[in-house]
Amino acid sequence: DAGVIQSPRHEVTEMGQEVTLRCKPISGHDYLFWYRQTMMRGLELLIYFNNNVPIDDSGMPEDRFSAKMPNASFSTLKIQPSEPRDSAVYFCASSLSSGGNTIYFGEGSWLTVV
Amino acid sequence: DAKTTQPPSMDCAEGRAANLPCNHSTISGNEYVYWYRQIHSQGPQYIIHGLKNNETNEMASLIITEDRKSSTLILPHATLRDTAVYYCIVRRQAAGNKLTFGGGTRVLVKP
Repeated sequence: DAGVIQSPRHEVTEMGQEVTLRCKPISGHDYLFWYRQTMMRGLELLIYFNNNVPIDDSGMPEDRFSAKMPNASFSTLKIQPSEPRDSAVYFCASSLSSGGNTIYFGEGSWLTVV
Repeated sequence: DAKTTQPPSMDCAEGRAANLPCNHSTISGNEYVYWYRQIHSQGPQYIIHGLKNNETNEMASLIITEDRKSSTLILPHATLRDTAVYYCIVRRQAAGNKLTFGGGTRVLVKP
């Protein structure tokens, strides 16, 4: 079975540009999570969805960040405008509520804002 | 969710068992112990979880003390590819409960 698929794997962009990160959760999973990892703050949860509905976005750093889940097989995390301090690895993860709720992670999107 | 305490780093010899400790003295009755690892440049990988009984799968064994205040992850025959940061996380299994990551233990398997 395919795991959580993220794209792009690596992105370098200039400050002020819009960045869109994409995620395809494991088929059938009803929870989707977006995490960010930096050296300073470690792994932190940004937002999570249940059945495509955002449940908790308290971890989203500021209004420049937005996340959507238009359907059960796709989610985006957008940063507009991007800043150098947004440089991090962004992980998407998913879980199945009826399957023990184990959370499975994608390989991450490495973002560098210059 | 209860907090966990892990040693920041440890070394182990290739081919030997690696025993990774974790303290979770404030764990609640409905909280599970989860272990994940993160190999460099990869996403966190689920290893194993348990409530109060010892658990074993193809990757590792999880030993939870009777009072559930601590646990040990055992990698039976460590290989160089087991070098990673290992996270012990306490979490209720209810739907939607997030994983809160601490600093983990950086494990270096040496030849």
